[in-house]
Amino acid sequence: QVQLQESGPGLVKPSETLSLTCTVSGGSVRSGSYYWSWIRQPPGKGLEWIGYIHYSGSTKYNPSLKSRATISLDTSKNQFSLQLRSVTAADTAVYYCARAEDSSETIDYWGQGTLVTVSS
Amino acid sequence: QSALTQPASVSGSLGQSITISCTGTSSDVGSYNLVSWYQFHPGKAPRLMIYEVSKRPSGVSNRFSGSKSGNTASLTISGLQAEDEADYYCCSYAGSNNRYVFGTGTKVTVL
Repeated sequence: QVQLQESGPGLVKPSETLSLTCTVSGGSVRSGSYYWSWIRQPPGKGLEWIGYIHYSGSTKYNPSLKSRATISLDTSKNQFSLQLRSVTAADTAVYYCARAEDSSETIDYWGQGTLVTVSS
Repeated sequence: QSALTQPASVSGSLGQSITISCTGTSSDVGSYNLVSWYQFHPGKAPRLMIYEVSKRPSGVSNRFSGSKSGNTASLTISGLQAEDEADYYCCSYAGSNNRYVFGTGTKVTVL
């Protein structure tokens, strides 16, 4: 059973960089069959796909983030990470890491999510 | 990319059936048979209930079924049970640039 767990600071100051890590167990980030993704949900609002990384190194991001996001892979720790630069209060959200199947484009496993608040 | 439209809430009595709609556009739901549905319980990881419009992952009850017509996908829960009370979100593949678009979410209440 694949499990994903987000970790990182729960509070980030405006204009700084939000950094989160997702630890994967029960599966390998080295698998070429999956995309490793980040999704967020601001309080009281809907879900927003942030982006993904594939083991090959290819990445794709939501254009609405205007190039502020970077997703990277650490195969030695079976983890992947998100950095979101120049954050504002609008970036306050529950952040989820997730796995998506390459063949079906289905997001099949999610982490529990972690709340990140942007405030001074 | 706009969010897919879902009703804010749907309720039903134990044992009844309910249907949640998910309306998108010809750029997402209407173009791809790649709609999935997720169950959100507070404090738990979201769970995949339906993928590729109507397929059920292993372990998901056959009381959950999915369908699509044009730009609207639907999730039906039959034989409603207390543990079905949760938030449900649809999601559609939206092409290589925007990748995924999600629904606005529906709170299901079991009366």
